[in-house]
Amino acid sequence: EMQLVESGGGLVQPGRSLRLSCAASGFIFDDYAMHWVRQAPGKGLEWVSGINWNSGSIDYADSVKGRFTISRDNAKNSLYLQMNSLRAEDTALYYCAKGGGGSTSYWYFDLWGRGTLVTVSS
Amino acid sequence: QSALTQPASVSGSPGQSITISCTGTSSDVGNYNYVSWYQQHPGKAPKLMIYDVSHRPSGVSNRFSGSKSGNTASLTISGLQAEDEADYYCSSYTSSSTLGVFGTGTKVTVL
Repeated sequence: EMQLVESGGGLVQPGRSLRLSCAASGFIFDDYAMHWVRQAPGKGLEWVSGINWNSGSIDYADSVKGRFTISRDNAKNSLYLQMNSLRAEDTALYYCAKGGGGSTSYWYFDLWGRGTLVTVSS
Repeated sequence: QSALTQPASVSGSPGQSITISCTGTSSDVGNYNYVSWYQQHPGKAPKLMIYDVSHRPSGVSNRFSGSKSGNTASLTISGLQAEDEADYYCSSYTSSSTLGVFGTGTKVTVL
């Protein structure tokens, strides 16, 4: 069974850092681009970042550019999101999502995790 | 990059058909056939319903169909069922500074 499991969320003070992880199983991880998508409480979906199959192409939403860093370890079937200089507006449920192909231009997400909650508050 | 525009809510009776619109610009919906649609039930992760404008993933009911005209994409649900009550989001690839964008979301209510 294909599965994505996020971890690493929690309560963090503004300006601090947090690292999210996503463990993938049930599919050939290094065949696919991976993405992070977030959803603030009671709000809609927002694409955060994407990385192609071999980490050769990485993109970010303007709202996180320069503060967040996406990475992957294909040997460990894992995706990561390093979040620095966190702000209150980064408070959200962060989903790990599998892209439709190896490139991030396959613009659809056909497998989602359950999400990990990040709360930025003093 | 602004979110794609969707109606806040759409409703219909069981058995009816409803259509959800998703309006973007010539930089996203109008320029790429990379529009996807997601269903999200309360407290659950989103589920892919349509990709590349009109393609249905394996396992998704054929009551769901997608189309596009100009800068507007649409999701049609035919034979509306109680289980279709959920939030729906469109998404498109974009040529702007961000790779892609989601819609504002539509709450579907089955009367």
